[in-house]
Amino acid sequence: DQQVKQNSPSLSVQEGRISILNCDYTNSMFDYFLWYKKYPAEGPTFLISISSIKDKNEDGRFTVFLNKSAKHLSLHIVPSQPGDSAVYFCAASAEYGNKLVFGAGTILRVKS
Amino acid sequence: NAGVTQTPKFRILKIGQSMTLQCAQDMNHNYMYWYRQDPGMGLKLIYYSVGAGITDKGEVPNGYNVSRSTTEDFPLRLELAAPSQTSVYFCASSSGTKQYFGPGTRLTVT
Repeated sequence: DQQVKQNSPSLSVQEGRISILNCDYTNSMFDYFLWYKKYPAEGPTFLISISSIKDKNEDGRFTVFLNKSAKHLSLHIVPSQPGDSAVYFCAASAEYGNKLVFGAGTILRVKS
Repeated sequence: NAGVTQTPKFRILKIGQSMTLQCAQDMNHNYMYWYRQDPGMGLKLIYYSVGAGITDKGEVPNGYNVSRSTTEDFPLRLELAAPSQTSVYFCASSSGTKQYFGPGTRLTVT
């Protein structure tokens, strides 16, 4: 039973345009959500996070939106750059400091 | 700060062999984790530790063992390697919810 789902295996976007990556979850106990970015042959690196008490968190070109009623979050990258091409994982936690549950990832390709 | 380090980077094992994947962190984090990532899948938690001397099973612990004798080190032991254990293994550490990952170990069992 996948508790965190990223239904789009891949996404292709033109440089300068917006990239929107989506994530759905089923466990209503999740209260903290993170996005990780992964380049080939490297470990995942933390990108941005959001607590369930917020509906938006912004960090430079990256914004995460959380819709608790729909159990859905999205990551917006504006403007997209070729260096953003990577695999993006959504992750969720039911307790601060506790284990993370990861989605399967979305491959983002930004074309120049 | 080296962060989280893992050795080896690559390894090929024959079925039935055993090996230990090493993981170390220099951030004085209490929490440490082992994940495996199979092609097209997310990271699955194998084992985790909330401090020295304390370990617990994750989602996919079968075929693995861990120990945590120090805050810094969290080795993962594979006994009787099987082809199903072919995967990329990531170690991570955290002091809160944000986890820091090592570069991974690519393991092939043939």
